[in-house]
Amino acid sequence: AQRVTQPEKLLSVFKGAPVELKCNYSYSGSPELFWYVQYSRQRLQLLLRHISRESIKGFTADLNKGETSFHLKKPFAQEEDSAMYYCALFSGSARQLTFGSGTQLTVLP
Amino acid sequence: DTEVTQTPKHLVMGMTNKKSLKCEQHMGHRAMYWYKQKAKKPPELMFVYSYEKLSINESVPSRFSPECPNSSLLNLHLHALQPEDSALYLCASSQGASGDNEQFFGPGTRLTVL
Repeated sequence: AQRVTQPEKLLSVFKGAPVELKCNYSYSGSPELFWYVQYSRQRLQLLLRHISRESIKGFTADLNKGETSFHLKKPFAQEEDSAMYYCALFSGSARQLTFGSGTQLTVLP
Repeated sequence: DTEVTQTPKHLVMGMTNKKSLKCEQHMGHRAMYWYKQKAKKPPELMFVYSYEKLSINESVPSRFSPECPNSSLLNLHLHALQPEDSALYLCASSQGASGDNEQFFGPGTRLTVL
């Protein structure tokens, strides 16, 4: 069965500091991984996906199959980045998303 | 139209009431989902519809009854709910089998069961 682990429930950084949100997964097949973000009072929305390899709002994430990780990084955090971040794995066989428990990021002024 | 819409935004119901949640998308997506989300927790999958057919039911109690009248609409019928069913109910859609797996989420219906 697939599993997504986000070890940090809460993460606080100062504005301008680098930030890394950790995500590890276990999956027997070829994973398709996503980062979703939920800003206060807004809907859950896609931030990044590993197959596109693009940078959104300054965030990047690289799939490391050897370490089974998909950590989310940003070199200079902004206050507007404060939100709940969920790492998610799509299972092709079950055709469903499995979410990690989420990391609440707070960027302090 | 590139959004998933959900009505109502808020719903308060008693344990003996019958109510329905509605979800709509006009992106031509053929997979639609219901999730339950408790505060500060990730969404939990409840049901998946693929091409208007129920494909996944994650052992959800029968007091929740999904319905997919057509490819754009998804309903969740509620009956005899319990207070612990109070949560944010999210609808999502994606292109479906062999298509893009990105899921688009609606804003949710915040349900309170008294």
